[in-house]
Formats: sequence, C-alpha cells, structure tokens
Amino acid sequence: GQNIDQPTEMTATEGAIVQINCTYQTSGFNGLFWYQQHAGEAPTFLSYNVLDGLEEKGRFSSFLSRSKGYSYLLLKELQMKDSASYLCGVMDSNYQLIWGAGTKLIIKP
Amino acid sequence: DTGVSQDPRHKITKRGQNVTFRCDPISEHNRLYWYRQTLGQGPEFLTYFQNEAQLEKSRLLSDRFSAERPKGSFSTLEIQRTEQGDSAMYLCASSLSWAKNIQYFGAGTRLSVL
Repeated sequence: GQNIDQPTEMTATEGAIVQINCTYQTSGFNGLFWYQQHAGEAPTFLSYNVLDGLEEKGRFSSFLSRSKGYSYLLLKELQMKDSASYLCGVMDSNYQLIWGAGTKLIIKP
Repeated sequence: DTGVSQDPRHKITKRGQNVTFRCDPISEHNRLYWYRQTLGQGPEFLTYFQNEAQLEKSRLLSDRFSAERPKGSFSTLEIQRTEQGDSAMYLCASSLSWAKNIQYFGAGTRLSVL
C-alpha cells in the first residue's frame, strides 16, 4: 500500500527554526510536494523536490532523499503567520498526489 | 489569471438530495483534480482529468459520485443521494502536466449533509 507519515502536531517559538519530517512509501515516484494550509483555506504550494538534495526558497527549504523515502521542510525565522498545517504529498507512478494527514504547526510568542 | 475558482463555497443539503459543484481551473491548465478533505486529514483523491478525458477515478469513490469536464475547461462534480458521511470540503486543483504538475487549489466547497 501507499503511505505518507508526518507528525500530527509540532510547537515552536516565534523567531526559531523548525523541521517537519515526512517519510513515504509509494508505488513509483514523480516528485514530492509541500503545501501550507491555514484553517478553512485551500492548500498553497510551497516547494517541489524530484532530485535528492536541498531546495531553498527564502525562509523555507525542503530536502529529499529518495533512497530513504524521506523529506523534511525547514522553516526559519518563524513568524506567527506560519501557524498552519503543512501537507507532504508524493506523486506516484500514475501522477496522483498521495497526501499525508498534515502537520499542525503552532507558533508561540 | 484569477486562479482556480469553485462554486458554491458552501452547500447545505438534506440527506438523499443531489448536489453539483463547479470548478473553473486556471486557464490553459490541462489537468484538473477533485479531492475531498475532512478535518485533520490530508486531501483524499477522487478523480482527475487531462483535458476532457477522465483518466483516473479513486476505487474508494462510490457510484453516487460522477464528474465531467465536457470541453476541457470547467468541471462539475455531482453527488447523488447524499449521505451524512459525504459532509466534507471538496477541493478542486489544476496543473500543467509539463510544468512539474504543481497543483493550484481553489478555495473549496464545504458540503454539510443534514
């Protein structure tokens, strides 16, 4: 079966750094995506990894290791507005996005 | 480019009624996806289209659900004989198959079945 695992909830302090992990087992691999979703809103695209390594985009970075079936999203200089759910999704061999349940990130002052 | 739009934003219906939702993708996006999401969960894939062709449909989807994309532009999702378990957020997304397939989501339609 196909499976995406990520922590249910994490708490971090404003200004700090947090790393959200994602492990996956899918039938085929055509890229890994991270999305941010605020409560009651649609997911918005953050990052895309298809090759091993680190992709940096401003305060957000995403890392992929295909051999380990592992990715993380790194958020730096946390702001209160970063409080949201972060969804890890893997595109399988049929080009379907398989989603994790999301990690709820709580930022405290 | 106004992004992906969905209509209606909210729908309240009685059990047993039929409902239809509409999605207008980003213009020129050839792929269109429908998902269902419940509280605390990631989106659950329902179906997707490439242009007007429905290429994939979730095995979990009952026969009460049907989707169309008649001219390869907007799409409709119909749920017949709604049940309370159908209450969820229904999300539509679109993408360009040759541009990393990054999916852009609409704001969703929240369905409440009483």
